Amino acid sequence: GESVGLHLPTLSVQEGDNSIINCAYSNSASDYFIWYKQESGKGPQFIIDIRSNMDKRQGQRVTVLLNKTVKHLSLQIAATQPGDSAVYFCAEEANDYKLSFGAGTTVTVRA
Amino acid sequence: DAGVTQSPTHLIKTRGQQVTLRCSPKSGHDTVSWYQQALGQGPQFIFQYYEEEERQRGNFPDRFSGHQFPNYSSELNVNALLLGDSALYLCASSLGTTGTDTQYFGPGTRLTVL
Repeated sequence: GESVGLHLPTLSVQEGDNSIINCAYSNSASDYFIWYKQESGKGPQFIIDIRSNMDKRQGQRVTVLLNKTVKHLSLQIAATQPGDSAVYFCAEEANDYKLSFGAGTTVTVRA
Repeated sequence: DAGVTQSPTHLIKTRGQQVTLRCSPKSGHDTVSWYQQALGQGPQFIFQYYEEEERQRGNFPDRFSGHQFPNYSSELNVNALLLGDSALYLCASSLGTTGTDTQYFGPGTRLTVL
């Protein structure tokens, strides 16, 4: 079936380095994509979103890239900090009111 | 600005029992969605409520039902609990004017079924 998935389940990054988290999706009807951050014991926290009519969007220290040709989404975090340690989920929506999530990437920041 | 709130925080039930979980949406939001998150997995969509009606439903059995009140708050009910229902139940709210609205999540209710 169609689903959203992440390339790697874990990512270890040195504090101060840039992080890149990847996500592949297969539903060609998806037109809205969101990155969420989930810390232990908490609900997912909205980070940044992008619609299918864009290929790049920037926020504070974060950038989302969308490549519709290969159905790929990535989240870049600049100057990764210890507080960035969490599980990151990409989610997609196909104008049908429901979000579909991948399994997540656990990011660990090394001091 | 109040975010999404859920109650209770934790809950322990035994197999066969029934449970009700509650959610208050973010101020200004009129749509509530419910998700189930098993340990180590991404959230799975259960259903969405808009204008007090179920607007969309995921692949969950009829044991899972819900309700939305005129003040936009919502309840999730699960009947005949199974061990496999143990999970974090998340509520998300949005302004439901289109099919692609940003959903903001609450802290969740951790349900344990023994």
